[in-house]
Amino acid sequence: DSGVTQTPKHLITATGQRVTLRCSPRSGDLSVYWYQQSLDQGLQFLIQYYNGEERAKGNILERFSAQQFPDLHSELNLSSLELGDSALYFCASSVGSGGLTGELFFGEGSRLTVL
Amino acid sequence: AQSVTQLDSHVSVSEGTPVLLRCNYSSSYSPSLFWYVQHPNKGLQLLLKYTSAATLVKGINGFEAEFKKSETSFHLTKPSAHMSDAAEYFCVVGPHTSGTYKYIFGTGTRLKVLA
Repeated sequence: DSGVTQTPKHLITATGQRVTLRCSPRSGDLSVYWYQQSLDQGLQFLIQYYNGEERAKGNILERFSAQQFPDLHSELNLSSLELGDSALYFCASSVGSGGLTGELFFGEGSRLTVL
Repeated sequence: AQSVTQLDSHVSVSEGTPVLLRCNYSSSYSPSLFWYVQHPNKGLQLLLKYTSAATLVKGINGFEAEFKKSETSFHLTKPSAHMSDAAEYFCVVGPHTSGTYKYIFGTGTRLKVLA
């Protein structure tokens, strides 16, 4: 058990809909990272937050947004869903922001299926 | 800029034989390097990490990796493969203190262990 909790584990929805994925980082970790993993594109970095502030951005679509709350949990919002958004979405946490090069701890992921 | 290359997308070994998964990196700074393992439908789990201490790093489940600066390599090895080692393995370059905050993931190596 990594200590990172993601909900829901599975989600099935229709095209055009909006969903929210939730992540609780390990106790004491200030950074949260979101990744998308699909068969055709592999593991893609989406976005990172550190202590409530956006720190780094990757290949995140404009239809997607994220935030980190004062209690350090994070949410990834996916809207106007398309079939191609079907993927496994991972949250990871680490102690620092990047200056402290600790390891990432991954949650079990949220599997999104868009029909 | 940092980058990481996993030289083999698939590796097959027989149970009880050695495992070698190859990783080359590029970094303008002294890198932190990680190996992660992902079993089917699971999150990524840290196997081991290098952060400029000993060049030979021991990890969990009998895996180890050697940091070779002259070859810019960080290959993962295990003396004797077990069926439970069948999974996908990711080599990762970590962020550094001045510049990118991103963890750079390789494209993964799928390890198959034959009985």
